[in-house]
Amino acid sequence: DVKVTQSSRYLVKRTGEKVFLECVQDMDHENMFWYRQDPGLGLRLIYFSYDVKMKEKGDIPEGYSVSREKKERFSLILESASTNQTSMYLCASRTGDWGDTQYFGPGTRLTVL
Amino acid sequence: AQSVAQPEDQVNVAEGNPLTVKCTYSVSGNPYLFWYVQYPNRGLQFLLKYITGDNLVKGSYGFEAEFNKSQTSFHLKKPSALVSDSALYFCAVRDGGSNYQLIWGAGTKLIIKP
Repeated sequence: DVKVTQSSRYLVKRTGEKVFLECVQDMDHENMFWYRQDPGLGLRLIYFSYDVKMKEKGDIPEGYSVSREKKERFSLILESASTNQTSMYLCASRTGDWGDTQYFGPGTRLTVL
Repeated sequence: AQSVAQPEDQVNVAEGNPLTVKCTYSVSGNPYLFWYVQYPNRGLQFLLKYITGDNLVKGSYGFEAEFNKSQTSFHLKKPSALVSDSALYFCAVRDGGSNYQLIWGAGTKLIIKP
C-alpha cells in the first residue's frame, strides 16, 4: 500500500514564524502536491512538483514556498505565518500518469495565533 | 470555465436506505472523474474513478458512480447506507488544460442516521 506521511498532525504557531510542513511518500511517485482544505471551499492547490527540484504554482501560492530535494520528500514552507493561513494542509502523491489516483497523507491542522 | 459542482452541502439518509451524492462538471475535452472520501480528522481516501469505458463504475466500500455525458454528471451511489459511511465526500475532475491538476468540488457531508 502507498503510504504518505506528514510530519505533524497538529501544529500551533505564532504570527510571523517560519513554518515547515514535511511530507514523505514511499512509492517512488514522480508527482507530489500540497493542498489546503477549508470548509466549503474544497481543496485548493498550493504547489505541485512533477519531479525532483521541479515545482509549479497552483491556485493559491502566495505566502508559501516549497522544496523538493529528494524524490520522496516535499516540503511546504510558510515564510512568515499569518492568521489567514490557519487551515488543514494535505499532501498527496501520484505517479506521472495524470489518470492515476492521488494518495493523501493524514493532514496537518495548522493554527496560527 | 472548468468547474465541479456538488450542489448539496449535506445529505441525510437513514441507515439501510439507498444514498446518492451528486456531482456535475464542466470541462474541456474528455472528463476524467474521481470520488474521494474523508473521514473525521483523516486525509482523503480514493473511492473510484471514471476514465473511459463502462459508464457505471464500481469502487471501494460498496460505492458506485454513474457517468452521464449528456447531463455532465457523475453521481455517487450506494444501495444500502451504513452509519459508517458518514463522512465528507469530494468529487474531482481532471483539468482538461493541465496534465496534473484536479478541479475539486466543495464537498458534501453525508450523515447516515441509525
